[in-house]
Amino acid sequence: KAGVTQTPRYLIKTRGQQVTLSCSPISGHRSVSWYQQTPGQGLQFLFEYFSETQRNKGNFPGRFSGRQFSNSRSEMNVSTLELGDSALYLCASSLTGENGNTIYFGEGSWLTVV
Amino acid sequence: GENVEQHPSTLSVQEGDSAVIKCTYSDSASNYFPWYKQELGKRPQLIIDIRSNVGEKKDQRIAVTLNKTAKHFSLHITETQPEDSAVYFCAAMGWRGSQGNLIFGKGTKLSVKP
Repeated sequence: KAGVTQTPRYLIKTRGQQVTLSCSPISGHRSVSWYQQTPGQGLQFLFEYFSETQRNKGNFPGRFSGRQFSNSRSEMNVSTLELGDSALYLCASSLTGENGNTIYFGEGSWLTVV
Repeated sequence: GENVEQHPSTLSVQEGDSAVIKCTYSDSASNYFPWYKQELGKRPQLIIDIRSNVGEKKDQRIAVTLNKTAKHFSLHITETQPEDSAVYFCAAMGWRGSQGNLIFGKGTKLSVKP
């Protein structure tokens, strides 16, 4: 069974640009969540999607957005990139996202903003 | 909202010794507590988890204990090996509405010296 797949793995963008990251969850998993990992702030929750609906959102500005498709694949978008957006963006999937569901992480997308 | 504190931030042990990492959480409604191991440049990998209806769980050299009254949980690694060297994160499932998201501790960098 394939794990959580994220693309692209590495990317470099310029300040002011926008970026879209993609995530394919484990087959059968309907909940997809996104996390940002930085050395200073650690692992922080961005948002969670289930059945194409955003159910939960962390404390990030509106420049961070996402969506989920009918096949549970998800994308996240960051507009007007800032240097501080440089981070590892991790996608995670679980069966339903309910309390107690095991959550599995993808390898992440390393974003560098210059 | 949920807040998770993790200690120590760094831990150095000799091969064969035990290692203990402790976490506290604030939201008494949280009832799922996973531990992740992250090696340099790789994804967080689930190593063990515990749900609130259980006080202790063991998997070979790894064990987790949970004290719901005191709101703390701990990871115990026995007979440590150099390959246990990594950053370990504890997390608690925090609630918003009926769905949850993981709130992570800041991580513990474990070094096992041969």
